[in-house]
Amino acid sequence: DIQMTQSPSSVSASVGDRVTITCQASQGISSWLAWYQQKPGKAPKLLIYAASSLQSGVPSRFSGSGSGTDFTLTISSLQPEDFATYYCQQANSFPYSFGQGTKLEIK
Amino acid sequence: EVQLVESGGVVVQPGGSLRLSCAASGFTFDDYTMHWVRQAPGKGLEWVSLISWDGGSTYYADSVKGRFTISRDNSKNSLYLQMNSLRTEDTALYYCAKDRGAGDTAMVFDYWGQGTLVTVSS
Repeated sequence: DIQMTQSPSSVSASVGDRVTITCQASQGISSWLAWYQQKPGKAPKLLIYAASSLQSGVPSRFSGSGSGTDFTLTISSLQPEDFATYYCQQANSFPYSFGQGTKLEIK
Repeated sequence: EVQLVESGGVVVQPGGSLRLSCAASGFTFDDYTMHWVRQAPGKGLEWVSLISWDGGSTYYADSVKGRFTISRDNSKNSLYLQMNSLRTEDTALYYCAKDRGAGDTAMVFDYWGQGTLVTVSS
């Protein structure tokens, strides 16, 4: 099974900051990676698929990069509504696993 | 507008059974693979099961294989999860999720319901 490891587990940042979250797969997954945002009490929301493709309706301040085993999610200029938990998910092979999550908190 | 509405979550004793339902609208249901994903209280996300657009293919996480059965009724735009031999570790919010790929399985979840809570406790 492929293990997905996110870092950091939590991060504090201010509005306007640039934030990067990383996700590492235990084996190569090409570009089969997605990123989700989850706010408290809400369902996850798809942000990025195929490692770098922006889902329709998602602001352009979100971007994704990487291939193989190492991936990043970058938020270029944090907005108040971006404080949430972020998950990566590999879509390469069964079973389709998620990272443990990164909680983005207000500094 | 895509809508997914889950129902059926309750408190059930260990060893019990439960059937979850998901009513879909706003898209051509029988064009898409559908999934169940769960989240234990305060924990991360775990993919549970998928069913192909025509119901011909189903897959399960090892943690539920042999106990859960996924099914769909395309005439009713509905997805189901039959849960048997429930364990305390099955306690979670169960989400119905639509696959992003049309006519194929992308294993990316582009729309989610709000979830239905299953609590397994004596």
